[in-house]
Amino acid sequence: EVQLLESGGGLVQPGGSLRLSCAASGFTFNNYAMIWVRQAPGKGLEWVSAITGSGDSTDYADSVKGRFSIARDNSKNTLYLQMDSLRAEDTAVYYCARSRRMTTVTTDSFDIWGQGTMVTVSS
Amino acid sequence: EIVLTQSPGTLSLSPGERATLSCRASQSVSSSYLAWYQQKPGQAPRLLIYGAASRATGIPDRFSGSGSGTDFTLTISRLEPEDFAVYYCQQYGSSLTFGGGTKVQIK
Repeated sequence: EVQLLESGGGLVQPGGSLRLSCAASGFTFNNYAMIWVRQAPGKGLEWVSAITGSGDSTDYADSVKGRFSIARDNSKNTLYLQMDSLRAEDTAVYYCARSRRMTTVTTDSFDIWGQGTMVTVSS
Repeated sequence: EIVLTQSPGTLSLSPGERATLSCRASQSVSSSYLAWYQQKPGQAPRLLIYGAASRATGIPDRFSGSGSGTDFTLTISRLEPEDFAVYYCQQYGSSLTFGGGTKVQIK
């Protein structure tokens, strides 16, 4: 079964750091681009970051550029999001998702999603 | 950055009715790289349509997408009870962005 499972969310103080993980199974992980998308409570979806299958190219939303870093370990079938200098407005459910196509770019639609992990930034 | 504006914000309809959702882009979306997702409360988004008009695997044919350039439409021909949800468009022609969503609620 194709599956994504996020972990690492929790409560963190403003200015703190957190690393999210997304464990993939059921498909050849390094063939697919991956993204992180977040959803603040009661709000819409916001794309956060993307990475190619090989990990050689990344992209970030302006709202997180310079603070967040996406990476992947294809030997462990795992995607990461390192979040530094966290702010209250980063509070959200964070989803990881897989590109629909086997692609070498980050721009695609996304057909497999995890269940999400909640990040709360508060003192 | 391409900004996507969805309208209306909320659509109140009855089961069996036709739903028409709009997604307008601030600039042309290349190659019709436009997708639609459905999200129900407490669940992750589900891909419905990619490439503006192609249904994703397992999506019923009552869902259809159309449009090009800056104007795109998702149509649900006859609403089933399970179709009441929030719908998002997403463009992937230039980086990635999502629209603000349209909630389809029971009238």
